[in-house]
Amino acid sequence: AQSVTQLDSHVSVSEGTPVLLRCNYSSSYSPSLFWYVQHPNKGLQLLLKYTSAATLVKGINGFEAEFKKSETSFHLTKPSAHMSDAAEYFCVVNSGAGSYQLTFGKGTKLSVIP
Amino acid sequence: DAGVIQSPRHEVTEMGQEVTLRCKPISGHNSLFWYRQTMMRGLELLIYFNNNVPIDDSGMPEDRFSAKMPNASFSTLKIQPSEPRDSAVYFCASSIAGGFRETQYFGPGTRLLVL
Repeated sequence: AQSVTQLDSHVSVSEGTPVLLRCNYSSSYSPSLFWYVQHPNKGLQLLLKYTSAATLVKGINGFEAEFKKSETSFHLTKPSAHMSDAAEYFCVVNSGAGSYQLTFGKGTKLSVIP
Repeated sequence: DAGVIQSPRHEVTEMGQEVTLRCKPISGHNSLFWYRQTMMRGLELLIYFNNNVPIDDSGMPEDRFSAKMPNASFSTLKIQPSEPRDSAVYFCASSIAGGFRETQYFGPGTRLLVL
């Protein structure tokens, strides 16, 4: 079984300050983990993914995430928020074992204050 | 690359009417997924096709929903008859293969409102 918990439903930061979106997962197998972003009235865009290579994964638009097996976490960070980062972010897990099934977190809405 | 294409982008219909949503996956991708997104339930997988064959339709809510993939470049999701509780955003996604390490690429979605 697999599950993912996004610890904050809403995060608000000031422009130019760091962003931290938290995600914890559970998986019976070595997982693949993804972060997707959804801007208002848009589809989901892949930010980055972890697939058992380097634990620190760099994505688009300056985002990165670190896979920590001991903490079962995959938090998303960005050093400096930009207004265009305001969106909803989804942490997604796939437990592997031949599965195509993605399990989505409930999402974290990021607001960026000018 | 045009990405995953979905049509229509918005659909407003009345209860009892038939609704057909369309999807064109990325060329060369052999796996296609239909998802539904609602505020209450988040993103749910409805059905998964691999090489045009439905592999898993356990997420399809009920018999009113049906999906087809007649060829590698086209899929439809049909709701007949539609009900207000079907109002949601429906996403189509495709991937090169169905494996767990493969990235799924999402279309822009169809926003369905059933009155």
